[in-house]
Amino acid sequence: DAGVIQSPRHEVTEMGQEVTLRCKPISGHNSLFWYRQTMMRGLELLIYFNNNVPIDDSGMPEDRFSAKMPNASFSTLKIQPSEPRDSAVYFCASSSTGGGYEQYFGPGTRLTVT
Amino acid sequence: AQSVSQHNHHVILSEAASLELGCNYSYGGTVNLFWYVQYPGQHLQLLLKYFSGDPLVKGIKGFEAEFIKSKFSFNLRKPSVQWSDTAEYFCAVKNTGFQKLVFGTGTRLLVSP
Repeated sequence: DAGVIQSPRHEVTEMGQEVTLRCKPISGHNSLFWYRQTMMRGLELLIYFNNNVPIDDSGMPEDRFSAKMPNASFSTLKIQPSEPRDSAVYFCASSSTGGGYEQYFGPGTRLTVT
Repeated sequence: AQSVSQHNHHVILSEAASLELGCNYSYGGTVNLFWYVQYPGQHLQLLLKYFSGDPLVKGIKGFEAEFIKSKFSFNLRKPSVQWSDTAEYFCAVKNTGFQKLVFGTGTRLLVSP
């Protein structure tokens, strides 16, 4: 299995631009999680989906952030408009209820907003 | 709400020294416990996990952790660290039956050769 796949691995954009981060979970996993990691705040859960349905989005910082999971093999996290304080590493993770809820993390997308 | 405390933010050890990283959680019910490791520039990887049974859990790379329910703790140990153990270590907890993991703030370990 290829593991959790994220793209792009690095993104540099200017303030005000739209940013879309992509994630492909491990095949067969029915839960998907988006995290943000910064030096100041550590690892924060932004949102998670179960069977493609958003379950908890309480960690989404504000309306500029949105996430979708149109099918079991793809999810996006969109920031519009982006701001410099959004600069962080964004991780996607997936898990399976049959696998004991262990979360497998992707390599992350390093976002820099200038 | 569940919270996780990792009291050691930075730890510096020499090779062959013993390691113990503290982790405490707040919820008093049934929990599942995890330790993840993040090597420099890489993503998080699972070191070990506890769901039930023997409270002493053995993981990869010689790591182990002990669940002490009365102390709400799940400390990570390794008898002899190596330079390659330099990484950031995260404790995570979830309430049984729920999927949301709550992570601690992490402990940065530096092992000098």
